[in-house]
Amino acid sequence: QLLLRESGPGLVKPSETLSLTCTVSGGSINSANDHWAWVRLPPGKGPEWIGSVFYSGSTYHNPSLRSRVSLSADTSKNQISLSLTSVTAADTAVYYCVRHTWGSYYSRSALEFWGQGTRVTVSS
Amino acid sequence: DIVMTQSPDSLAVSLGERATINCKSSQSVLYNFNNKNYLAWYQRKPGQPPKLLISWASTREWGVPDRFTGSGSGTDFTLTISSLQAEDVAVYYCQQYYSTPLTFGGGTKVEIK
Repeated sequence: QLLLRESGPGLVKPSETLSLTCTVSGGSINSANDHWAWVRLPPGKGPEWIGSVFYSGSTYHNPSLRSRVSLSADTSKNQISLSLTSVTAADTAVYYCVRHTWGSYYSRSALEFWGQGTRVTVSS
Repeated sequence: DIVMTQSPDSLAVSLGERATINCKSSQSVLYNFNNKNYLAWYQRKPGQPPKLLISWASTREWGVPDRFTGSGSGTDFTLTISSLQAEDVAVYYCQQYYSTPLTFGGGTKVEIK
């Protein structure tokens, strides 16, 4: 059974870099069709897609965060990672790792499988 | 970006009654060549991650009770819970996967009256 487990610091200081890891078990991140997204849920707001990564390393991001976001995939560890620089209180949220598919219009999917999420608070 | 607008923000419905949630996209999410709407609905209960309920606007995921129905096309969509159960108390979100950035509605909180 597929399991996505997010990990990282629960508290980050303003202006610092947030680094999160998603460890995938029960499946491989280098599946031909699977893409791995990061989605965050700020308190009292709707979810926000941060970006997605394919096992090859190709990525696509939300333009609203593009300059601060870096995504990567490590097939040897079966992990994907998120780095978000220059964080502010607005980055306080629960961060989720999510599996989906992406490509042509004939190979896209909704966000099918979610990890449990990890709560991140930005505060001094 | 495709903006997703949900209404209402919250609603309270008696057990066994119908709950209706609306979602409007700022541009069509219907791909004419395959006649599919790239629209999903999610349910989020407290302390849990969002759960995919419906994809392609109207296709229930495996195991989702048939009291949940998705409908609509183009820019206007509806999620209907035909007979509200206590376990349906949650926040519901719509989301488009027609184009990036993937975008969500702000959510509708469903409670028991």
